[in-house]
Amino acid sequence: QSALTQPRSVSGSPGQSVTISCTATSSDVGGSDFVSWYQHHPGKAPQLMIYDVSQRPSGVPDRFSGSKSGYTASLTISGLQAEDEADYYCCSYAGGYVFGTGTKVTVL
Amino acid sequence: EVQLVESGGGLVQPGGSLRLSCAVSGFTFSTYSMKWVRQAPGEGLEWISYISGDTDTKTYADSVKGRFTISRDNAKRSLYLQMSSLRAEDTAVYYCARGGFGSYSMDVWGKGTTVTVSS
Repeated sequence: QSALTQPRSVSGSPGQSVTISCTATSSDVGGSDFVSWYQHHPGKAPQLMIYDVSQRPSGVPDRFSGSKSGYTASLTISGLQAEDEADYYCCSYAGGYVFGTGTKVTVL
Repeated sequence: EVQLVESGGGLVQPGGSLRLSCAVSGFTFSTYSMKWVRQAPGEGLEWISYISGDTDTKTYADSVKGRFTISRDNAKRSLYLQMSSLRAEDTAVYYCARGGFGSYSMDVWGKGTTVTVSS
């Protein structure tokens, strides 16, 4: 399975919104509705932020939201906060799991 | 509190073997699938293996198929990854993760254990 392509980095000021894209290059991965997003602070355990494209687990702030259109899934962080600075990975399940290339979010 | 704690990492020579463990607590282990995911230095996350709660289904990424074996002991609340024929490119932090109930996500992760393959 091919990888999922994410922008290498995105940045925003506190309070702004940022959107991270996740684009599939194959129909199996691109056609999956089992897309999840993970936040990873280096040296710590990754954390699930979104599952099944747009579902938010209990405890995740509602300023994190997910969507999908065609072969591209997106994670939007509204009202950016300093603690949101981290690496973010999308992941798609289509018989096996494929992670995105990862995006570093910087809070200016 | 749900916890996953990996152990067993270390330095191993190319061609060698290593067994990773993941001890879990705070949930009914046998009812959840489990995964192993790794992150090589400077790289992103890579899924490497999956096992169902009843151990009937096991899947592997192509990069480790035939060299790594996933297993679990539900009575001991432990997940394992037997790694053999190790290569330099297997150097990574290895995480165990719980499968999200009713979804294909990974809803709880451990902090990882580091494996270094080098002579």
